[in-house]
Amino acid sequence: DAKTTQPPSMDCAEGRAANLPCNHSTISGNEYVYWYRQIHSQGPQYIIHGLKNNETNEMASLIITEDRKSSTLILPHATLRDTAVYYCIADMDSNYQLIWGAGTKLIIKP
Amino acid sequence: SQTIHQWPATLVQPVGSPLSLECTVEGTSNPNLYWYRQAAGRGLQLLFYSVGIGQISSEVPQNLSASRPQDRQFILSSKKLLLSDSGFYLCAWSVRLLADEQFFGPGTRLTVL
Repeated sequence: DAKTTQPPSMDCAEGRAANLPCNHSTISGNEYVYWYRQIHSQGPQYIIHGLKNNETNEMASLIITEDRKSSTLILPHATLRDTAVYYCIADMDSNYQLIWGAGTKLIIKP
Repeated sequence: SQTIHQWPATLVQPVGSPLSLECTVEGTSNPNLYWYRQAAGRGLQLLFYSVGIGQISSEVPQNLSASRPQDRQFILSSKKLLLSDSGFYLCAWSVRLLADEQFFGPGTRLTVL
């Protein structure tokens, strides 16, 4: 089972920043933190990943705590199209494949 | 640019019937390929991955098998479907195998009755 912990659901107002937390207290030193999202009935979409430093791209920002035990995905100006399930992945199996949890269902409200 | 195709989009099959789902990737060479299954309201479960033609690694024992007859073609099969095989099947590809960004196809929703 995944060792990450995410809230099952969150709401955010359109135009505001959406901050999605993730706990990964047992993460090992060489494991990255990945974020994907999945819009209903579609394939997941890669958002961002990081190891130690904060990362930013055109979709989002990833803030990783100094002890690497938790992280936050930030969508700076949420739109209705950002409604999706967001997966934080920080575990790999013995074959170095990502282990997916249940994610956070983010609902953006007008 | 790279694209990934899956078909069919939806499938309803009786228990005991065979299965063949196909995935093809365009615009890249030597991709790593993956088959996932997703149960309703759950995360993705990796079923198989492949680093090259004819090379298949199975993540979990099951009623399914995978094959890679060509560099950019990945097939998921079953000889006899079970009710528990119902789910959303996703194909993905990546450049590197180890913990790399993966690009997913649109998925196939399989219902076994």
